[in-house]
Amino acid sequence: AQSVTQPDIHITVSEGASLELRCNYSYGATPYLFWYVQSPGQGLQLLLKYFSGDTLVQGIKGFEAEFKRSQSSFNLRKPSVHWSDAAEYFCAVVPFGNEKLTFGTGTRLTIIP
Amino acid sequence: NAGVTQTPKFQVLKTGQSMTLQCAQDMNHEYMSWYRQDPGMGLRLIHYSVGAGITDQGEVPNGYNVSRSTTEDFPLRLLSAAPSQTSVYFCASSGGHRYGYTFGSGTRLTVV
Repeated sequence: AQSVTQPDIHITVSEGASLELRCNYSYGATPYLFWYVQSPGQGLQLLLKYFSGDTLVQGIKGFEAEFKRSQSSFNLRKPSVHWSDAAEYFCAVVPFGNEKLTFGTGTRLTIIP
Repeated sequence: NAGVTQTPKFQVLKTGQSMTLQCAQDMNHEYMSWYRQDPGMGLRLIHYSVGAGITDQGEVPNGYNVSRSTTEDFPLRLLSAAPSQTSVYFCASSGGHRYGYTFGSGTRLTVV
């Protein structure tokens, strides 16, 4: 079945540590890929997107993501997290030939001092 | 400011009541969508539209109606509210898939 999976429900990291959030997809053709962030009580903000070209994409707030076709993955990374990065992060896809933006279930990020 | 505007921000309904959640965008986007967000389930697509006069169902359409008479507006109607429709609802719009979607700030709906 077609799906987008975020295997980690909750991740805790120390401030200043590196971060990697996982996203895997299962579609016949590579979909358009997105990462969104949702701060508590807020709407969703687009962090970055990938649809072709360079497999390492840069986004806002110091985030980057790497597309790996062989692993059907699009993992989000940040070299050094800040307390303000505490939020929920969603991976999302638009399948090729489709108009529907489909979300993973999200990963909640907690930052400890 | 340009963006997606949702009203109301909060609403309490009694079971069986009907209401309309409003969504408007001023970016001339063709694509618009409605999602509901429930704990542990991410965002699930209710209905979407690829242009004025064109709508289609998403993953969880039952109990909801939409119409798109103009490019700017995409209202979501709850026909007969049920407690299972208690959720946070988000409207989003996009000028094209590769650009991503812009989201409104949400409507928190409680059905009692």
